[in-house]
Amino acid sequence: NAGVTQTPKFQVLKTGQSMTLQCAQDMNHEYMSWYRQDPGMGLRLIHYSVGAGITDQGEVPNGYNVSRSTTEDFPLRLLSAAPSQTSVYFCASSGWVAGWEQYFGPGTRLTVT
Amino acid sequence: ELKVEQNPLFLSMQEGKNYTIYCNYSTTSDRLYWYRQDPGKSLESLFVLLSNGAVKQEGRLMASLDTKARLSTLHITAAVHDLSATYFCAVDIGDSGAGSYQLTFGKGTKLSVIP
Repeated sequence: NAGVTQTPKFQVLKTGQSMTLQCAQDMNHEYMSWYRQDPGMGLRLIHYSVGAGITDQGEVPNGYNVSRSTTEDFPLRLLSAAPSQTSVYFCASSGWVAGWEQYFGPGTRLTVT
Repeated sequence: ELKVEQNPLFLSMQEGKNYTIYCNYSTTSDRLYWYRQDPGKSLESLFVLLSNGAVKQEGRLMASLDTKARLSTLHITAAVHDLSATYFCAVDIGDSGAGSYQLTFGKGTKLSVIP
């Protein structure tokens, strides 16, 4: 099992550009989520999904879109990047088979100039 | 709105000493997680605490959960340098028995163990 994978690892964007952060898991987990981590802030939930075709907003959803067309993939789209979106982004997955554990991907470090 | 507070936020301790990190949260939950994060790395799961009175131990770390007091502790016994990292607690806002998998994190405790 590869676990939770994220691409890219690093990305630099200019203000106003759009991009998609990719997240995939091969553990057949129902639940997937996106968090951002800023210095001194801990992790904050952006969007989450409880299964294919079902998504919902977390604590800080503005400026981000998600979709979940398959169990395996949960991409995060930045519609028009802003410097305030400079952060480290983590994808996580979990499910019944995981015994309540949340598995985190390696992260994507995004800088918006 | 669920609030999760960790203290201390910074902890410098000598090798061989004991210390406790506290995690308080503001609303009912019976599912609490502890994670470790090394600089530039992802989160490593340490413990998942699923009920009142739960206690789990792994090596020099022991975590406990008191849902009535809305408090979890992470106790470090005889610290060693390898334990230097940032430790996060996170609380699931879901109701008892049905996890929501939506975690609210504390701000983290940066632990430095000095030889």
